[in-house]
Amino acid sequence: DSGVTQTPKHLITATGQRVTLRCSPRSGDLSVYWYQQSLDQGLQFLIQYYNGEERAKGNILERFSAQQFPDLHSELNLSSLELGDSALYFCASSDLNTIYFGEGSWLTVV
Amino acid sequence: GENVEQHPSTLSVQEGDSAVIKCTYSDSASNYFPWYKQELGKRPQLIIDIRSNVGEKKDQRIAVTLNKTAKHFSLHITETQPEDSAVYFCAANRIKAAGNKLTFGGGTRVLVKP
Repeated sequence: DSGVTQTPKHLITATGQRVTLRCSPRSGDLSVYWYQQSLDQGLQFLIQYYNGEERAKGNILERFSAQQFPDLHSELNLSSLELGDSALYFCASSDLNTIYFGEGSWLTVV
Repeated sequence: GENVEQHPSTLSVQEGDSAVIKCTYSDSASNYFPWYKQELGKRPQLIIDIRSNVGEKKDQRIAVTLNKTAKHFSLHITETQPEDSAVYFCAANRIKAAGNKLTFGGGTRVLVKP
């Protein structure tokens, strides 16, 4: 158990819909990251927050947005969903050195 | 920004043989190089890491080497076992107070044949 908690674990939704993925970082970690991993693909960095502020942005679509709240948990919002958005979405948190991943949220768009 | 390339993309080895995965990075300021193992459908887990002030680090059957001049680092797995079958990711970044932004390589799928 990495200490990073993600919900939901699995989610099936229809095209055009909107979903929210939630993440609680490890206790004390200020940084939260979101990664997308499609089938048989690598880890695509989406966005990073540090203590509530956006720190870095990767290849995140305009239909996707995220935020980190004062209690440091984070949400990733995915809207106008397309079939190609089906993937495993990982949240991760870090101390100064190491990044720890959550178990991921499996999103299936049908 | 940082760019990390990883080779090979797939690696098949016989049980008991060694496996080597190589990564190159572009940012000479990178000073932290972790390796993650990801089993099918599971989260990536840190298996070993190395900092730029060290040339080699070992942990039982796994070792990592770093060549800062050439900007490449490698993962070595000796006496491979079936449970070593997984996807391995290398990464690189600069450690800083505001948190890391790891740049990952594309991954290597390792298959250990019994």
